Parts: sequence; C-alpha cells; structure tokens
Amino acid sequence: EDQVTQSPEALRLQEGESSSLNCSYTVSGLRGLFWYRQDPGKGPEFLFTLYSAGEEKEKERLKATLTKKESFLHITAPKPEDSATYLCAVQARDDKIIFGKGTRLHILP
Amino acid sequence: SAVISQKPSRDICQRGTSLTIQCQVDSQVTMMFWYRQQPGQSLTLIATANQGSEATYESGFVIDKFPISRPNLTFSTLTVSNMSPEDSSIYLCSVRESGANVLTFGAGSRLTVL
Repeated sequence: EDQVTQSPEALRLQEGESSSLNCSYTVSGLRGLFWYRQDPGKGPEFLFTLYSAGEEKEKERLKATLTKKESFLHITAPKPEDSATYLCAVQARDDKIIFGKGTRLHILP
Repeated sequence: SAVISQKPSRDICQRGTSLTIQCQVDSQVTMMFWYRQQPGQSLTLIATANQGSEATYESGFVIDKFPISRPNLTFSTLTVSNMSPEDSSIYLCSVRESGANVLTFGAGSRLTVL
C-alpha cells in the first residue's frame, strides 16, 4: 500500500537553529515527490517537486533532497516567518497523489 | 499559476442539513479535485470533478453524500449532504494545470457541524 509518513509531527526551533524534516514513503513507481507549505487558514502552497534519487532543490532557506526511500526538507537559519505546516506528497505510477500528515514547524524569535 | 476562489470560507451548520461549496478558477483547467483535511489527518482526495460527466469518487466517498457539479472548465461545486459532526473538516478545491504536475489549492472552506 502506498504510504507517506512525516516526522516529527511538530518541531519548535529557535530563530537561526537549522534542522531537517523527514518524509518517508513507500509507493509503487514514484513519479514525483512534492513539498508544500500550509499557513493557518490557507490552502497548501507548492514549494518543490523532486523526481529521482539524488535530486536536490533549493529556495531561500529551504533545501529538499530525495533518496529512494525518503526525502528531507532542510531549513537553514530559519526565521519566524518560516513557521507553518510542511506537507509531503508522492505521486504514484497510477497518478494518484498521497499526502502525509505534515510537520508543524514553529520558529521562536 | 491559477488563482482559486472558494466560498464560503467557513460555516457553522446544523446536523442533517446540506451545504454547497463553490470553487471558481481564473483560467480554464481540465483537472479539478476536491480534498478533505480533517484535524491531524492527511489531505484526502474525495473526488475528481469531470467537466461534462459524473465525478470520479475515491474509495470511501459516495455521490449521495458528496454530490459534485462541474458545469464548465472554471467552476465546480461540492455539496456535503445530510451533515453530521463527523463531517466537520476543511474542504479544499484543487486544480492541476495543463503541462504541470503540480496541484494548486484554494484557501479551503472550514465546515463545523453542530
């Protein structure tokens, strides 16, 4: 069964304290792995797509990486405005997109 | 990317009533979807809204409970019928634009059933 597991469920960091969020997946024929950011009261906002193991994407303080079993979202020197829920999703061979439950990130000033 | 407007943004409803959520997109899109986001749970696909034909429902979701309309390529509605407190959730409209493999979401409709 296709599955996406994100850890930790919640993470509190001091401003400037770098860390990583994990997304482990099992999927039949990975077509793509997606990271989204969701702010309270808003819909998910697209961040990155990764297609193959070894691929990396960067945007400001965020870097996403992909292996055959998991993806990491690295946050370097975070700021309070990076506080949000980060969602991981995978697209399977049958085109279905499966989301994880998300990691709630809180950056303390 | 497409801009999606959802209405209502939130509502409080009584048990046994029905509510229709509207989704308007600022451009024509082929693929339009409805998701549910329950507290502490993953985003779950309810159905794919097909223009000109019946929606395609995922396992666990049925047309009688969640009727969907898609009269054209820019608009869709989702009705939550005969609501119970278990239907309290955020309902999100999403589109996938031609040539893109990315979902764009509306802001969601937060539904509370008393």
